[in-house]
Amino acid sequence: ILNVEQSPQSLHVQEGDSTNFTCSFPSSNFYALHWYRWETAKSPEALFVMTLNGDEKKKGRISATLNTKEGYSYLYIKGSQPEDSATYLCACNAGNNRKLIWGLGTSLAVNP
Amino acid sequence: DGGITQSPKYLFRKEGQNVTLSCEQNLNHDAMYWYRQDPGQGLRLIYYSQIVNDFQKGDIAEGYSVSREKKESFPLTVTSAQKNPTAFYLCASSLLGTTEQFFGPGTRLTVL
Repeated sequence: ILNVEQSPQSLHVQEGDSTNFTCSFPSSNFYALHWYRWETAKSPEALFVMTLNGDEKKKGRISATLNTKEGYSYLYIKGSQPEDSATYLCACNAGNNRKLIWGLGTSLAVNP
Repeated sequence: DGGITQSPKYLFRKEGQNVTLSCEQNLNHDAMYWYRQDPGQGLRLIYYSQIVNDFQKGDIAEGYSVSREKKESFPLTVTSAQKNPTAFYLCASSLLGTTEQFFGPGTRLTVL
């Protein structure tokens, strides 16, 4: 059974703080790692898809890194804004069938 | 606008009744997916389809049925055999051969 774990479960920060979350996943038969942002009352939205060890991706103030050998990815948000408040989901494609295995998410609340 | 639509947003049914959740996409995606979300759990795959007239069971298919008669549509029927049908249901789609999934807004089903 493949498990994807995310930490922390929830996070409250002040506007302007920088923050980061962790996603850990099985490193065997790894294919791809996904980060999604899910705002309340909206659809989950893809942030990054990463496949190569050492990959770093950036979109505005949000960036992510990938370590496939040890099985973890970090998501960083620089200078958090209230509009960053959302649940950040991590999902991993691994194994022969390459279905997405989802973590429980990290719920971020940014206070103005 | 291209996207995925799910209807209705909220659905109430009496115990013992079958109910069908709609999912339509105009992204010309080949693959479509149904997930279920429960409190404290990650997204769990119910069924997926990679091509018209073909679909496979996901991790929690018992008590559900699907059809894929058209590329654009992948309706999910929650049958009376599903022991705990009350949940939030998400539909997604992707291009065949890619792993990034695009999500609809979801349907919250409550069985009374």
